[in-house]
Amino acid sequence: GQQVMQIPQYQHVQEGEDFTTYCNSSTTLSNIQWYKQRPGGHPVFLIQLVKSGEVKKQKRLTFQFGEAKKNSSLHITATQTTDVGTYFCEGGGNEKLTFGTGTRLTIIP
Amino acid sequence: NAGVTQTPKFQVLKTGQSMTLQCAQDMNHEYMSWYRQDPGMGLRLIHYSVGAGITDQGEVPNGYNVSRSTTEDFPLRLLSAAPSQTSVYFCASSYSIPGGTEAFFGQGTRLTVV
Repeated sequence: GQQVMQIPQYQHVQEGEDFTTYCNSSTTLSNIQWYKQRPGGHPVFLIQLVKSGEVKKQKRLTFQFGEAKKNSSLHITATQTTDVGTYFCEGGGNEKLTFGTGTRLTIIP
Repeated sequence: NAGVTQTPKFQVLKTGQSMTLQCAQDMNHEYMSWYRQDPGMGLRLIHYSVGAGITDQGEVPNGYNVSRSTTEDFPLRLLSAAPSQTSVYFCASSYSIPGGTEAFFGQGTRLTVV
């Protein structure tokens, strides 16, 4: 089955610094989804990327899908305390809904 | 719409007890799945279902049973609880798999086995 690896596992940044998390797949993905889980909460869907090389933005968040559709990244510009949480990617095209290991972001005020 | 509803929100069990975690969705989603989340381990798939009457194992199915008699409900049964099953459990549903579509999660069940 598809294996989606996510790095880094943890990231601590000063408030105002940028943050990036990466997902890498061993196989070509049909699409990729990103989720955010606030501390103590449940994962919530952020976005879906489908096309090779696709870039989508949501305010300070920029999502990219690689040209080969094997990797993706989420970049947050000028982090805020509200960005705290764990970010998961999910590689579409499986019969099963499986997630990367997640990147936990903590913000130092 | 209620979305995905999980009950109970919290549960404490003694070793060896059995119980059922309930999950219901009102979005007419075909796909439903159960995960456990342990610190630093991400979301690990326990069991999933692609439609009523169809279930299959995920990566950590031992000690858990599921059934899918209706589209709406997907209960998870712990047969004989063990301390290693202490975790947070999430149920999720989505319109269809494969293809990748937005998944909706329940609020989670925090289970402690003593």
